[in-house]
Amino acid sequence: AQKITQTQPGMFVQEKEAVTLDCTYDTSDPSYGLFWYKQPSSGEMIFLIYQGSYDQQNATEGRYSLNFQKARKSANLVISASQLGDSAMYFCAMREIRGGGADGLTFGKGTHLIIQP
Amino acid sequence: NAGVTQTPKFRVLKTGQSMTLLCAQDMNHEYMYWYRQDPGMGLRLIHYSVGEGTTAKGEVPDGYNVSRLKKQNFLLGLESAAPSQTSVYFCASRESSGRMGETQYFGPGTRLLVL
Repeated sequence: AQKITQTQPGMFVQEKEAVTLDCTYDTSDPSYGLFWYKQPSSGEMIFLIYQGSYDQQNATEGRYSLNFQKARKSANLVISASQLGDSAMYFCAMREIRGGGADGLTFGKGTHLIIQP
Repeated sequence: NAGVTQTPKFRVLKTGQSMTLLCAQDMNHEYMYWYRQDPGMGLRLIHYSVGEGTTAKGEVPDGYNVSRLKKQNFLLGLESAAPSQTSVYFCASRESSGRMGETQYFGPGTRLLVL
């Protein structure tokens, strides 16, 4: 079973609109972290935002916020006031902190976001 | 402060050849990782290290070996390259503890083509 599911392979959004990128996850570990990374066409992986499973509030970083719904196991990324430079692949990822398995991140397959002027 | 660097940026190999990918970080991070990214996929963990002199297997370790002789360096080796190892390889590192220690910082990637 996939641990990270991103159901939107691609999205087109008008510039200045808000964008929500979906991510659901599957874990039995009570302690975990959720991440979003951006990968522009140049290829590098850019960290955007982190949410810990015990965090009481949703994480925010500038125009990025993470809509964390623990009971639904969802961790959607919200980008406010989208810009042309937001066009990229976006990956949701998870680290199970006490899982006893391999350390490291488990990634979803990504969402290709295109911002249109 | 260069962050995480990877050498080389691009390489073409013939089937059966060997090579070593070098990852270096100047942030004094304890944890280091090697991932591979295939078309249409997210990254998958190959091997990782929780400190100097330690290594452990990730999700897709077959065909790869690693070494962490110095804290700042993490080497990924392919002893006998196969076309299935054509991929983009990313190295990452993070601190060992605390909230800030959760974030992994990635290198720019190495594109490897095995013919």
